[in-house]
Parts: sequence; C-alpha cells; structure tokens
Amino acid sequence: KAGVTQTPRYLIKTRGQQVTLSCSPISGHRSVSWYQQTPGQGLQFLFEYFSETQRNKGNFPGRFSGRQFSNSRSEMNVSTLELGDSALYLCASSPDRTTNEKLFFGSGTQLSVL
Amino acid sequence: AQTVTQSQPEMSVQEAETVTLSCTYDTSESNYYLFWYKQPPSRQMILVIRQEAYKQQNATENRFSVNFQKAAKSFSLKISDSQLGDTAMYFCAFMKDRNTPLVFGKGTRLSVIA
Repeated sequence: KAGVTQTPRYLIKTRGQQVTLSCSPISGHRSVSWYQQTPGQGLQFLFEYFSETQRNKGNFPGRFSGRQFSNSRSEMNVSTLELGDSALYLCASSPDRTTNEKLFFGSGTQLSVL
Repeated sequence: AQTVTQSQPEMSVQEAETVTLSCTYDTSESNYYLFWYKQPPSRQMILVIRQEAYKQQNATENRFSVNFQKAAKSFSLKISDSQLGDTAMYFCAFMKDRNTPLVFGKGTRLSVIA
C-alpha cells in the first residue's frame, strides 16, 4: 500500500504570492490533517478534513485554507505569503474520524518564502 | 490548553547503549493518549510508541519502552541497544481524544555515535 504522498517536495515562492500544496492519503483513509513545522514554533496543527468537511481548525490566520475532495485527496492554500510562512508542511491521514491515534504522515513539503 | 515540554534539545548516545528522552505535559484531562514520534532526515514522522492514559502498564515496542507516570505527568522514552538508524528528531505528543489533533513538544535531537 502506498503511503501518504505530498507534492511538491520543495517549493520556493516570494512574499505576496500564493501557494497550493497537495496531499494524497493512504488508500482507504478518509481523514486528512495538516501540520506546520518550523524551528521556532515546532509542530502546530493547521486543520483536519473528513469526508470533504473541515472538522478541526488550528489557530492560524484566514490566509491558510484547505479543502478535501471526494477521493479524500486534500489541498492546502496559503495566500499573500509572508516570510514567516517558510516551513515544512506535513500532511497525515487516518482511516476515519475516530482514529487520530493512528496517524500516518507524509514526508512534507518544504516551503521557502523569499 | 494542553502543553508538552521536552527539556532536552539535544542528546547523544553510543551505539548499543541505552538512552532516555524526557517529556512532561500539562492537562486537566483524566483520559488521553501520549505518543513518541521519530523524524529522521527523510522528514517523515514515524510513530514509535503510544500509551493510553487509562492503561497502567507501560507500553513497549521492541527496543523502545516508556515510563508513564500519570500523577507526575511524565512520559519518558527509553531506547535500548541504540542503533545508528535511531539517529533522528524525537517528538513527544499529546492527544486529548481520538477526535482531536496532536499537540507536540519541541523535540529532542538524538545522535547515535558509532
């Protein structure tokens, strides 16, 4: 079974641009979560989707948004990029909405904002 | 809000020796989940071990074991017979219940020296 796939692996953008990151969960998994990892703040929860509905949301500004498609693939979008958005963005999937203790992570997308 | 503290930013251990990584957390919940994740240079977060708070018995997974002290809110990870492949960042994480996201500590960078 293929693992969680995140694309692209690396991304370089400039301030003010927007970016879209993609996450394909493990086949059969219906819940997808996103985390931001920075050296200063560590790992912080962004949001979680289950069956195309946002179930939980972290404490991030409205510039950060996401969505989930009917095939469970998820995208997250960051608009009007700021230097502080430079981070590793990790996606994780789980079988269903009550199994967050069985999260499987991807290898992340490293976003650099110049 | 729950917080997770890892007081050792960096540690090193000789190959084949034993090392213990510390983690404390703060919560008013009585039932919850605790985890240790490993993040090697590949960046993928890998679940090492998990503990459910209502279980008194400490979890073990091969060379990895935990010392869970509920009253002290402490959750340390012991790695026995350390191997070069154990070199990674280790994150302690807390989950209130299966429907909530993970709260991570800042991590401990472990280096296993030959």
